[in-house]
Amino acid sequence: NAGVMQNPRHLVRRRGQEARLRCSPMKGHSHVYWYRQLPEEGLKFMVYLQKENIIDESGMPKERFSAEFPKEGPSILRIQQVVRGDSAAYFCASSPPTGQGVNEQYFGPGTRLTVT
Amino acid sequence: GQNIDQPTEMTATEGAIVQINCTYQTSGFNGLFWYQQHAGEAPTFLSYNVLDGLEEKGRFSSFLSRSKGYSYLLLKELQMKDSASYLCAVRGNTNAGKSTFGDGTTLTVKP
Repeated sequence: NAGVMQNPRHLVRRRGQEARLRCSPMKGHSHVYWYRQLPEEGLKFMVYLQKENIIDESGMPKERFSAEFPKEGPSILRIQQVVRGDSAAYFCASSPPTGQGVNEQYFGPGTRLTVT
Repeated sequence: GQNIDQPTEMTATEGAIVQINCTYQTSGFNGLFWYQQHAGEAPTFLSYNVLDGLEEKGRFSSFLSRSKGYSYLLLKELQMKDSASYLCAVRGNTNAGKSTFGDGTTLTVKP
């Protein structure tokens, strides 16, 4: 029973390039969350998605950032025209459908983005 | 909105007991979570409280008082491997599933 999978684990991009981060939730989980974590800081919520729907994107920067969770395939967090300030660890988490138990979030190993 | 406060750092001795506090102010409440995060790794789930009282799970216990907007995580018989960041997270009653995290408490266990 595989956990939450994220790839790549490490990503290096030059300023102005695009970064694509992928997340495959645990089997049976229909909710996906993306968080950003800067060094020595806590997790900052970015976006909450269900299949083919963005439920809450209140934590997403207005420009350059987008997320999707298609009917088939992983969830994608896309950052266009990256800047040095985008360097961070990006964690994906998944949880079961609402109403099933505690509904805690299970985290993937994260993608560490470095912008040079 | 949600506002979550927890101490930035704590230090304790191996074998001792430590209590990590978390206070929150939220527009809704549907449960409080504690996660453990070792440096460079993903957070892992420790505990969940939705009703007032104490939940015990081995060496770890978590307490909740909804009227006071207060929780604590109690770690007993501390081990060196307990050195980590401990994150308090609150789930609001809108957009079920979304949690807001505190900045975490970095616990250092010394011999």
